[in-house]
Amino acid sequence: EAGVAQSPRYKIIEKRQSVAFWCNPISGHATLYWYQQILGQGPKLLIQFQNNGVVDDSQLPKDRFSAERLKGVDSTLKIQPAKLEDSAVYLCASSLVGGSSYNEQFFGPGTRLTVL
Amino acid sequence: DQQVKQNSPSLSVQEGRISILNCDYTNSMFDYFLWYKKYPAEGPTFLISISSIKDKNEDGRFTVFLNKSAKHLSLHIVPSQPGDSAVYFCAALRQGAQKLVFGQGTRLTINP
Repeated sequence: EAGVAQSPRYKIIEKRQSVAFWCNPISGHATLYWYQQILGQGPKLLIQFQNNGVVDDSQLPKDRFSAERLKGVDSTLKIQPAKLEDSAVYLCASSLVGGSSYNEQFFGPGTRLTVL
Repeated sequence: DQQVKQNSPSLSVQEGRISILNCDYTNSMFDYFLWYKKYPAEGPTFLISISSIKDKNEDGRFTVFLNKSAKHLSLHIVPSQPGDSAVYFCAALRQGAQKLVFGQGTRLTINP
């Protein structure tokens, strides 16, 4: 079974530029998550999708970050314009449909973003 | 507001000995706890979990202990092996939710 795919693996941009990350979840996984992991911290949930609907985006900085999952499969996360503090690893994860019990989240390798 | 805390950024243990990683939480609504392991340039992978109705869960060399009254959990690895060298994250969930809240991580180094 293929895992969660992410691209690119690394990205270096200058502040005020825009950037986009792509994620393809495990086949059949209805729930998709984007996390931000700043160096020295644990991953922080930015947004959670179930199919193509947003379940939780309470920690997404909506003035500069956007995410979509138009067909309920792959997803893109965009930052526009980027700030220095956006330097982090952006992790995508997927799981079977949510419910009352926990469904294991499987993580992709992440995209390391450096903003200069 | 750090609801899940891992106060030791790093831990060094000799191969064959016990590794003990600690985690504290503040939100009493958390009822499910997990440990994830992360190697460099890879995403976190699930290691072991425990429900709040239990105080211990064991899987091979890995055991997680939960002390609800102290809002504390720990991960024991016995015996420690070089392949266990990684960053370990503690995470917590509220009942019915899928939103993981992670601690800052502890870098474990197993020395030969």
